[in-house]
Amino acid sequence: EAEVAQSPRYKITEKSQAVAFWCDPISGHATLYWYRQILGQGPELLVQFQDESVVDDSQLPKDRFSAERLKGVDSTLKIQPAELGDSAMYLCASSLDYEQFFGPGTRLTVL
Amino acid sequence: AQSVTQLDSQVPVFEEAPVELRCNYSSSVSVYLFWYVQYPNQGLQLLLKYLSGSTLVESINGFEAEFNKSQTSFHLRKPSVHISDTAEYFCAVSPPSNYKLTFGKGTLLTVNP
Repeated sequence: EAEVAQSPRYKITEKSQAVAFWCDPISGHATLYWYRQILGQGPELLVQFQDESVVDDSQLPKDRFSAERLKGVDSTLKIQPAELGDSAMYLCASSLDYEQFFGPGTRLTVL
Repeated sequence: AQSVTQLDSQVPVFEEAPVELRCNYSSSVSVYLFWYVQYPNQGLQLLLKYLSGSTLVESINGFEAEFNKSQTSFHLRKPSVHISDTAEYFCAVSPPSNYKLTFGKGTLLTVNP
């Protein structure tokens, strides 16, 4: 069964360093989402892509976060510089329609 | 805009007991309704969904949820839980126009022997 792939699964970094997360959606899924899930909370949408175009990045902290999906397939989410409050699970999802399929996530710890 | 309230942050139950996880939502437009399950250190998996039609929807592993429009609720139930049902459960809504999901804060279901 096709799955959404994410790497790394775990990342520990120090404050002010740069980090990057990678997501490979299910083949053929045009829509890709990045979510942030703080411990004890539900996921919150950071950015939504339709093919290579950003559809919604209203909740993305653009001073430090960036996201790209250059060829409309895989995607990278970057944080620079990382802050203590960025510690969270970062989830990627992809979809053809209403049903979103989630990857296993990247757990980021900022020290 | 939409919002989702899950009334219980934690629900401990004994194995084979019934359980209900409560979910209420607020929206100015019609929405699709979802329950997702998250096992430790894993992503979210879709458990069941309500798009239209019958207000009672069922999953393959014995969970069911009922859409109540007048009470704007979508509570999740299971008549007899197993140890393996221990997980966090998230209620979510999305408008049919853009499929953008809004999640509740989650309910941690712990099934004890």
